[in-house]
Amino acid sequence: DGGITQSPKYLFRKEGQNVTLSCEQNLNHDAMYWYRQDPGQGLRLIYYSQIVNDFQKGDIAEGYSVSREKKESFPLTVTSAQKNPTAFYLCASSRRDRERYEQYFGPGTRLTVT
Amino acid sequence: KNQVEQSPQSLIILEGKNCTLQCNYTVSPFSNLRWYKQDTGRGPVSLTIMTFSENTKSNGRYTATLDADTKQSSLHITASQLSDSASYICVVSALEDTGTASKLTFGTGTRLQVTL
Repeated sequence: DGGITQSPKYLFRKEGQNVTLSCEQNLNHDAMYWYRQDPGQGLRLIYYSQIVNDFQKGDIAEGYSVSREKKESFPLTVTSAQKNPTAFYLCASSRRDRERYEQYFGPGTRLTVT
Repeated sequence: KNQVEQSPQSLIILEGKNCTLQCNYTVSPFSNLRWYKQDTGRGPVSLTIMTFSENTKSNGRYTATLDADTKQSSLHITASQLSDSASYICVVSALEDTGTASKLTFGTGTRLQVTL
C-alpha cells in the first residue's frame, strides 16, 4: 500500500447522512485520485487533484465532494445526494498527473449505507 | 469509447501450475499498459508497466507481454503459489495531448484462485 493511508477500513452510515473518507500520503506526490470499485466493474474515477487547492470531476462525481487544502491530504465526502453510496473506495496518488507516472493505491475504505 | 476486456473472468488452478491471463484493449492513442494485483479487500499493487516499445516485462514469477499491433496483453504466472490468489487488473493509459489529465481505463479483472 506504499505511503498512502485510508481510514477507516470499514464505515457504516445511515441513509441521508454525509460521510467523509480520509486519504493521506507521505510520498510527496502532487496528484491524488479517488476511485470507486463495485463488484464486476472496473475502477471508476470520482475526483482527482493535480495540485493543492485544485481538483476536477471524474466520470462519476455526482453526489461526492472533495477538498485539497494540503498536499498530503485529499478527503472525500459522500453526500446524501449519492444514490448508491455502498461501495469500496480507493484513494491513489502519483508523482504527477501524467500518463507515464505510476499510481499508488491506498488500502481502501468499504462504505456500507443502510 | 476506450475499453479494456479481460479473460477469463475467473480461474482456478493447482498450486505449482502456470497460468496466463488475457487483456484486450481499444484505448487510443496508447501510452502504457499496467497489470495490478489486488488482494481481497485491499488496494491494487502494481506488477508491471509497459510502454509501446516494450514487448515483455518480468517481475519475479510474473511476466507480462504486450502486442501493440493487435492491442493485446497477457500476464503469465509461473509456478503459482497460494499467495497468488487475487484479482489481476489490466489498466491501459491513453496519451493525452491536451490538458494534463491522465486517463486510465480499468479492466474488470480476472479472479485467480490457487488451490492445494
